[in-house]
Parts: sequence; structure tokens; C-alpha cells
Amino acid sequence: RKEVEQDPGPFNVPEGATVAFNCTYSNSASQSFFWYRQDCRKEPKLLMSVYSSGNEDGRFTAQLNRASQYISLLIRDSKLSDSATYLCVVNWRSGYSTLTFGKGTMLLVSP
Amino acid sequence: DGGITQSPKYLFRKEGQNVTLSCEQNLNHDAMYWYRQDPGQGLRLIYYSQIVNDFQKGDIAEGYSVSREKKESFPLTVTSAQKNPTAFYLCASSPGLAESTDTQYFGPGTRLTVL
Repeated sequence: RKEVEQDPGPFNVPEGATVAFNCTYSNSASQSFFWYRQDCRKEPKLLMSVYSSGNEDGRFTAQLNRASQYISLLIRDSKLSDSATYLCVVNWRSGYSTLTFGKGTMLLVSP
Repeated sequence: DGGITQSPKYLFRKEGQNVTLSCEQNLNHDAMYWYRQDPGQGLRLIYYSQIVNDFQKGDIAEGYSVSREKKESFPLTVTSAQKNPTAFYLCASSPGLAESTDTQYFGPGTRLTVL
């Protein structure tokens, strides 16, 4: 069974805090991994892809641990505008993408 | 502007009626997808199409139908056979590369409410 599990939250943090989200996936043969951001009542938007070596984009760092089958997203120096739901997404196979989405983790950043 | 458009943004339907949701993209993407999202749930795949005139069922295809007559367009029909059609419907497209890093981009969605 193909599952992607996330802590639903919400994570309530003050501005400037560092927050980490974890995600586990069930299929060890999974091919590619992503974090999407979804604002309330809007469509998901790609935040970043996740590579085996780990990757960073400004305040955001994503890491992949294939042996333990988990993915993480670290947000440093949180901003009010980071408040959203973060979706962990897995592509099970190579080739055309057939994604499986986690239910998302909600982040609320307060002043 | 390049992107994915969906219309209408909000749609109300009476029980027993079929309704068609529009999805258009001008990104020259080969692949297109339909998902539904329910409150507190992850996105679930309804149908996808990798190329014109071809499409495959996703995880929850029952009560839905699609067509892919043009590369740019992938309309979704919600039929009266769909038992719980009220949901947020999202269309996506991807380049359709034969690589594991094929990335999907989403339209703004259509909120369907059955009265």
C-alpha cells in the first residue's frame, strides 16, 4: 500500500523560530520527493524538490533519508507569510509522475 | 501569461445532474491530471492523461469521466453516479518527461457543491 504520513499539526511558532516537519513513506522503491505549500482554499504550489544529498533554498532545507524512508523540511527564521499547510509528496515510479500526497502539516506563525 | 486555468471557480449543482469542469494549460505540457481534495484529506487522483487521446483511471475514478482531445484541454465530468461529489477539484499538468523528476503544477481549482 502506498502511504505518505505527516503530523497534521498545527505547529504554532513565533516569528523567527525554526520549525521542522517530518514525513514518512511506505514504498521503499519511491523515486522522487517534493514539498508543496498550500495556502487556505488555494491550490498547492511546489516549494522544493528533495534530493538524496539534501538541498537548501534560502531559509528552507529539505532532506531525504532513504534507509529510514523519511523526508524532512526545516524552516529557519519563520515569517508570518510562512503560515500555510505543507504537503509531503512522493512519486512512486520513474517516468510520468503519479504522485501520492500526505494530508499536510499546518504551520501557524504568530507575531 | 503561461499557466493552468480552471473554470468556474465555484460551481453549484443539484443532485442527479452531470457537470463538467474545465481545465486548460498553455505550458505545452504532455501530461495532465485531475485530483479531488476533501477537508483534512490529502489529494486523491481521479484520472490522468500522458498524451492526447489517452487517459488512465486514478485511485477514485468511479463516477467521473474525462476526455483529452487536445493537448491543452482536459475536462472532467462529474456524473450523477458520483455519490459524494462536493469537494475541491484540482487540475495539474507536467511536462511528461520520462524521468523521475517530472514535476506537477496546479491550477487554481474549482469548488463544487451539490445541493
